[in-house]
Amino acid sequence: AQSVTQLDSQVPVFEEAPVELRCNYSSSVSVYLFWYVQYPNQGLQLLLKYLSGSTLVESINGFEAEFNKSQTSFHLRKPSVHISDTAEYFCAVSASDNYGQNFVFGPGTRLSVLP
Amino acid sequence: GAGVSQSPRYKVAKRGQDVALRCDPISGHVSLFWYQQALGQGPEFLTYFQNEAQLDKSGLPSDRFFAERPEGSVSTLKIQRTQQEDSAVYLCASCHAAGCTDTQYFGPGTRLTVL
Repeated sequence: AQSVTQLDSQVPVFEEAPVELRCNYSSSVSVYLFWYVQYPNQGLQLLLKYLSGSTLVESINGFEAEFNKSQTSFHLRKPSVHISDTAEYFCAVSASDNYGQNFVFGPGTRLSVLP
Repeated sequence: GAGVSQSPRYKVAKRGQDVALRCDPISGHVSLFWYQQALGQGPEFLTYFQNEAQLDKSGLPSDRFFAERPEGSVSTLKIQRTQQEDSAVYLCASCHAAGCTDTQYFGPGTRLTVL
């Protein structure tokens, strides 16, 4: 079984500052990794994902995450945040074997961007 | 294009009442998941369907919870004799492939409040 840890439940940051949201996972099998974002009163949306290949993945709105197998981490970063990035961010892990309950989500990190 | 839709968006039930929550996945999507998201937590797996077959229901918290997808498209999550601890947002997600180790598409959720 997989598990996901997001150490920071809340991260306040000023606009245009850099941010890192941490995610660590544990799994006995190969995994795929995801970051989902949930804006206020909206459903979860995929932000970016790592399936294979380059360990650095990017989203269209400036976020990036790097898969580090040795540290079992998939931290999310953005060099300069905007007010509109205020949301809840969930890290998720999926086992690469084909099984139903293979999506496990972390508890989430609430990013608050301050003016 | 049409995404995953859920109805109702909000449901208030008196303790002991039965409720039914509906999910319309993206057309043609084979896999369908139900999740429960408690306040301040990440989504937690409830059950998984591949077409009309319920392949995994290990996450259903009690025998008061029942899900079905009789024609392999629309799904209903039913909760009998609701309790206050059932209060949560219930999320539905679908994806194109069986097993769905890749991206899931989420609906907006149904917020259930049990008084």
